Amino acid sequence: DVKVTQSSRYLVKRTGEKVFLECVQDMDHENMFWYRQDPGLGLRLIYFSYDVKMKEKGDIPEGYSVSREKKERFSLILESASTNQTSMYLCASTSAGGVRYGYTFGSGTRLTVV
Amino acid sequence: TQLLEQSPQFLSIQEGENLTVYCNSSSVFSSLQWYRQEPGEGPVLLVTVVTGGEVKKLKRLTFQFGDARKDSSLHITAAQPGDTGLYLCAGALETGANSKLTFGKGITLSVRP
Repeated sequence: DVKVTQSSRYLVKRTGEKVFLECVQDMDHENMFWYRQDPGLGLRLIYFSYDVKMKEKGDIPEGYSVSREKKERFSLILESASTNQTSMYLCASTSAGGVRYGYTFGSGTRLTVV
Repeated sequence: TQLLEQSPQFLSIQEGENLTVYCNSSSVFSSLQWYRQEPGEGPVLLVTVVTGGEVKKLKRLTFQFGDARKDSSLHITAAQPGDTGLYLCAGALETGANSKLTFGKGITLSVRP
């Protein structure tokens, strides 16, 4: 069963901490994405990557960075966590040219920053 | 401005009722998808439509892509409590290797037993 795995389902971090959210896919997908989901705002794209070592800013990259050292792993980094980054974070992947076939999403990480 | 507008935002119905929800845009999409998301989980793909006027059925769910490929509808027959969830539509404006999806804000459906 193919899947996208996010390392944590729930996280609680303190303001100012550096936070790492990990995402691993086993489908050999080229494209990976990080979204945050908030009530009333829908899914907002933070960063995406079309290949190893490549990254592109999405709609709301401020306060975040990403790392893709291996094809299967895409990490989201909160450099200095703030309370307004409390959210549900979703990782997704798809093959190159496969967007018409849809994204496979992870189960999400519910991050609370206190 | 939201590229994909979904309506209604919230819907609460009784088990056994029929319903139709909508996903509208002024842009033309190469393909459009519907996802369902349950609380605390990630979205799961239900269907992809690619041809204008296309109709696809998934058990009690019927999906239609508009003739001009700018809109889509989802019809559920005899809704069940298991249909409860957030329904997201998403469209691809391009077909290239690096194209990505644009998501609507979703429709929250609650089916009461």
